[in-house]
Amino acid sequence: QVQLQQSGPGLVTPSQTLSLTCAISGDSVSSNNIAWSWIRQSPSRGLEWLGRTYYRSKWYNDYAESVKSRITINADTSRNQLSLQLNSVTPEDTAVYYCVRYSGWYNFDYWGQGALVTVSS
Amino acid sequence: QSALTQPRSVSGSPGQSVAISCTGTSSDVGGYNYLSWYQHHPGKAPKLIIYDVTKRPSGVPDRFSGSKSGNTASLTISGLQADDEADYYCCSYAGIYTHVVFGGGTKLTVL
Repeated sequence: QVQLQQSGPGLVTPSQTLSLTCAISGDSVSSNNIAWSWIRQSPSRGLEWLGRTYYRSKWYNDYAESVKSRITINADTSRNQLSLQLNSVTPEDTAVYYCVRYSGWYNFDYWGQGALVTVSS
Repeated sequence: QSALTQPRSVSGSPGQSVAISCTGTSSDVGGYNYLSWYQHHPGKAPKLIIYDVTKRPSGVPDRFSGSKSGNTASLTISGLQADDEADYYCCSYAGIYTHVVFGGGTKLTVL
């Protein structure tokens, strides 16, 4: 059974960097037939896909246009975990952030428990 | 503002059937057969219940079914049960640049 355990601060100061990690068990972050995404949910924006990373002989990343200039998603194979960094945050980035595995064509089949991140001074 | 349009709420009595619509465009829902549905009980992780328009993951009861016509997809839940009360979201592949878009969610109330 795949389990995704998220961790990170729940409060971030405006203009600073939001950082979350996702520890993966029951699967490998470098599996060849799946990918890993971060998705967030807020009352104003609903569910929003932020980006993905996946391994197909080498690592690939794709990011949503809305955050492309500020986001980095990395995989740490030694720790079998995923990370999210979102720079220059504003209160608009306040949301519940989910670490998600997907297979096929964006079938998000395993989700982390979610982490509420509030951007406020 | 979500890219896909869902009704804000639907309701039904135990044992009845309800349908939830998800309307997009030819660039997402209408353009691909990669449409999924998620059930979300508040405070828990969302759960994949339908993928590729009509397919059910292992363990999801056949009371849940999906369909699509043109730019509109539908999730039908038959034999409503109290535990079906949740928020439901649709999600569609939207091409190599946008990647994926979600609906705004529909709150299902079991009366």
